[in-house]
Amino acid sequence: QQQVKQSPQSLIVQKGGISIINCAYENTAFDYFPWYQQFPGKGPALLIAIRPDVSEKKEGRFTISFNKSAKQFSLHIMDSQPGDSATYFCAAISGNQFYFGTGTSLTVIP
Amino acid sequence: DAGVIQSPRHEVTEMGQEVTLRCKPISGHNSLFWYRQTMMRGLELLIYFNNNVPIDDSGMPEDRFSAKMPNASFSTLKIQPSEPRDSAVYFCASSFRGRGEAFFGQGTRLTVV
Repeated sequence: QQQVKQSPQSLIVQKGGISIINCAYENTAFDYFPWYQQFPGKGPALLIAIRPDVSEKKEGRFTISFNKSAKQFSLHIMDSQPGDSATYFCAAISGNQFYFGTGTSLTVIP
Repeated sequence: DAGVIQSPRHEVTEMGQEVTLRCKPISGHNSLFWYRQTMMRGLELLIYFNNNVPIDDSGMPEDRFSAKMPNASFSTLKIQPSEPRDSAVYFCASSFRGRGEAFFGQGTRLTVV
């Protein structure tokens, strides 16, 4: 059973555009929601994270929007750049139970 | 800190051989995770340890896979005997329980021929 559902599987965005990746979860015990960025040949690296007591967190061009009632959260990448091309994973955590989404391959076209 | 260190980075072995992957977690972290990544199945949690004790190994595919953590600074994932379908990138990650973030190593790309 997929604890965290992520969409889309792949995304192509023009340079300067907004990239949006969505995730949904079912288990209300999750209390931490990180996003990871993975470049080819590298391990996933923590990008930004949010706790469910806030609805939005912004770090530079990256923003997480969190909707607790809908059990959904999303990553927005503003002014997308070719260097943002990577695979993005959302995750949901409760204690030491980590559940990852299936990943979104983002390509930013110059 | 150098981060999570995995070795080897690449491993090519013949079917039936034993393979051992190694991981050194970040100093001070008390949780360690082994993941497998493939195109078809994405990131799969194989096993995780808390304070060197295996907590959940339900993701270990079968008895050919085993993992140990003899101390807080070292863990191994062993596959014996290896099969072509084990070919994947294996990641080790560590975290400090309660902090939320997991930090990943660079991964070991395993090819079984």
